[in-house]
Amino acid sequence: GENVEQHPSTLSVQEGDSAVIKCTYSDSASNYFPWYKQELGKGPQLIIDIRSNVGEKKDQRIAVTLNKTAKHFSLHITETQPEDSAVYFCAAVASGGSYIPTFGRGTSLIVHP
Amino acid sequence: SAVISQKPSRDICQRGTSLTIQCQVDSQVTMMFWYRQQPGQSLTLIATANQGSEATYESGFVIDKFPISRPNLTFSTLTVSNMSPEDSSIYLCSVEKSGGATNTQYFGPGTRLTVL
Repeated sequence: GENVEQHPSTLSVQEGDSAVIKCTYSDSASNYFPWYKQELGKGPQLIIDIRSNVGEKKDQRIAVTLNKTAKHFSLHITETQPEDSAVYFCAAVASGGSYIPTFGRGTSLIVHP
Repeated sequence: SAVISQKPSRDICQRGTSLTIQCQVDSQVTMMFWYRQQPGQSLTLIATANQGSEATYESGFVIDKFPISRPNLTFSTLTVSNMSPEDSSIYLCSVEKSGGATNTQYFGPGTRLTVL
């Protein structure tokens, strides 16, 4: 089955800096890669996603990149703000059948004011 | 997207008892899922619940311990039976909905369970 590795497990940055979280996946059949943000005491919230026919996608201060050949994808957050502090999960979904993502282990992002 | 609510939001229970968690969605969905998230960990799928059929459980999870009901297209319950301290976790329901070019999974706020 699919295996998703996520790094780093913890990331500490100063407000205004950029943050990058990286994930790798193993199943070449995976073609959809969502990213979730989980704030303390809340459920995961979908923040951005990318399909395998696209190399990059941006939404304001966040962007995702995908290298299908190397089987890795990354989340980029620019101009970080304290409210970006949360746990971020990457996931990979294989084509066909039911949508059941395989999640990474999560990255705890801390943005210091 | 989808608006999902869960009840209770948190509970503290005694070992040996059972707790039923409710999940309500603001629109009809075919696929609903139940996850467990242990402290500081990722999300582990417990089971998939489709309306009108038996839930499908993942390896390591059994119906006797985690019975699930799916009476209609907007509601599901998960029961954590005969609880032990090891069941202390966040339990999340999620739904699969069409998100444009593909389906996407949306999560509820979670139920934080502590078993003493």
